[in-house]
Amino acid sequence: EPEVTQTPSHQVTQMGQEVILRCVPISNHLYFYWYRQILGQKVEFLVSFYNNEISEKSEIFDDQFSVERPDGSNFTLKIRSTKLEDSAMYFCASSLGQGMNEKLFFGSGTQLSVL
Amino acid sequence: AQSVAQPEDQVNVAEGNPLTVKCTYSVSGNPYLFWYVQYPNRGLQFLLKYITGDNLVKGSYGFEAEFNKSQTSFHLKKPSALVSDSALYFCAVRDETNDYKLSFGAGTTVTVRA
Repeated sequence: EPEVTQTPSHQVTQMGQEVILRCVPISNHLYFYWYRQILGQKVEFLVSFYNNEISEKSEIFDDQFSVERPDGSNFTLKIRSTKLEDSAMYFCASSLGQGMNEKLFFGSGTQLSVL
Repeated sequence: AQSVAQPEDQVNVAEGNPLTVKCTYSVSGNPYLFWYVQYPNRGLQFLLKYITGDNLVKGSYGFEAEFNKSQTSFHLKKPSALVSDSALYFCAVRDETNDYKLSFGAGTTVTVRA
């Protein structure tokens, strides 16, 4: 089965530094997402991306966050100035369709630790 | 608003016994309901979904789930659990008026003992 690939699997950074989390969605998928899970808490929606623009974002996704699809294969999440509370597992996901046809394929996640 | 509750943090069963993982939801309109499973060091994997139609939905690995509108529940079931079913299970919901955002439950850790 095709997979969503995320790199790196672990990222350690100092507070205030910029980080970029990388994802390679499934090649024919059109919709892309970022979710995160703070340790011991629920998986939370961050943002969805379609047709080279953000289609929806949560209240978590403030000005410190941005997403980009710089080429035909990568989908990145940038955090400009990391905070301690950004420490979490970040999951990238993609889907072929949306709505009723939505079946998300998730990557294995990037564990971000902000020190 | 949409939300999901998984009332059990952990479920422990013996191999060969039935497995049930509970989920209740809250949405404004009609729900689209999903179950995902997460094995160690792996991403979330889709198990099954309910959109409309038959209330009993069959999915991957022998799992099924029953949609109960009156009880706003979508419990995951497997008639005979395997040790390999030990994993973290997430219920998720999306309101029909919401195109993109899934809301997940907190997850239930299933342990199947041999």
